[in-house]
Amino acid sequence: QVQLVQSGAEVKKPGASVKVSCKASGYTFSGYYIHWVRQAPGQGLEWLGWIDPSSGVTNYAQNFQDRVIMTGDTSIRTAYMELGSLRSADTAFYYCARDWYSGTSDMFDFWGQGTLVTVSS
Amino acid sequence: QSVLTQPPSVSAAPGQKVTISCSETSSNIGDIYVSWYQHLPGTAPKLLIYDNDKRPSGIPDRFSGSKSGTSPTLAITGLQTGDEADYYCGTWDTSLSPGRWVFGGGTKVTVL
Repeated sequence: QVQLVQSGAEVKKPGASVKVSCKASGYTFSGYYIHWVRQAPGQGLEWLGWIDPSSGVTNYAQNFQDRVIMTGDTSIRTAYMELGSLRSADTAFYYCARDWYSGTSDMFDFWGQGTLVTVSS
Repeated sequence: QSVLTQPPSVSAAPGQKVTISCSETSSNIGDIYVSWYQHLPGTAPKLLIYDNDKRPSGIPDRFSGSKSGTSPTLAITGLQTGDEADYYCGTWDTSLSPGRWVFGGGTKVTVL
């Protein structure tokens, strides 16, 4: 069965960087884009961007373009999201999600369990 | 740019029905296809509906999607306490290049 398993919780100081991993199993990793989504306390879901694991091509949300890097390693079926210049507003659960195209539209059919990133001095 | 607007909250008694609208505000109104997600904060969101009205396998038929006029809508019938969660619509916005994914602001469902 399809599974996305994320790395554990992180605590970082303002100005630092964090790198979250997302290990895929149960499907052809290189065949599906991986998206990253976050939810800050009391806020809604916010899209950060996607990576095509087969090519390494990425597309970042405008709000994060200058400080997010998404990568993938097909040999170990793992996607990564690195966010730099952290501030307290980046405290959130970060999720990876698999993009599936139905033939009509895209959707996120499987999600990781979430990684809590806390930014605090 | 596409913006998806949802009501902040809806509520109903157990066994009743709630509907959640997802109003889209761009020139591509006629072409919109949304997916719907159920989310309990701190847990993995779950895909409920895709292509406006299709259910993935394993999703109960109490959850249904439709598109009335220009607004996609999620309906939950036979409301259960386990349905208390946040619900989000989402779509791929191609009005900009490259495209971007957008979520609605989310709707909290409360079972009275």
